[in-house]
Amino acid sequence: ETGVTQTPRHLVMGMTNKKSLKCEQHLGHNAMYWYKQSAKKPLELMFVYSLEERVENNSVPSRFSPECPNSSHLFLHLHTLQPEDSALYLCASSQDQEENTEAFFGQGTRLTVV
Amino acid sequence: AQKVTQAQTEISVVEKEDVTLDCVYETRDTTYYLFWYKQPPSGELVFLIRRNSFDEQNEISGRYSWNFQKSTSSFNFTITASQVVDSAVYFCALSWDNYGQNFVFGPGTRLSVLP
Repeated sequence: ETGVTQTPRHLVMGMTNKKSLKCEQHLGHNAMYWYKQSAKKPLELMFVYSLEERVENNSVPSRFSPECPNSSHLFLHLHTLQPEDSALYLCASSQDQEENTEAFFGQGTRLTVV
Repeated sequence: AQKVTQAQTEISVVEKEDVTLDCVYETRDTTYYLFWYKQPPSGELVFLIRRNSFDEQNEISGRYSWNFQKSTSSFNFTITASQVVDSAVYFCALSWDNYGQNFVFGPGTRLSVLP
């Protein structure tokens, strides 16, 4: 059983909808990440949070809005998405963002934008 | 530019065969980290190994082994006596700083092990 839990596992949303992806980690880690995995591109790092502060935003469109209320929870708020945003969104956590330790991943949310 | 190439898009083998997944990386940094992750059909990425650039010693863990060669910028992964449960997508990844911010994955290799 993974220590990183993502909900929902599947999501279908229209382009005008607003939805949120949730990630929770039970590993006591200090860093959390959002990744996007699409069919046409390698896995892409979207956001990095360390000790609840955003430390990386890899030129992600503003229709994706992350939120990290505490070190155990990470959200990705979605609004006015495009069909090309359909992908697997993976959350990960690591012990310490400064130590380059391995990351533990959730099972992902399969998002379909219609 | 930092880049990871996994030239094999898909590989199919029959159970009990050995299989090697190739990974070639590019970086100008002298300190970097290489990773392998397994993604089974369920979707999550499972960490397999991390190797830093100063440790070229090959590693074996059960049926898994890794061959790190800086001279060819390769970090290949071999599964010995493959099993059906090894069927997954395998990602090689590169990180070139100590802060985990600069991280790039290869496109992945889909391995199918047939019974």
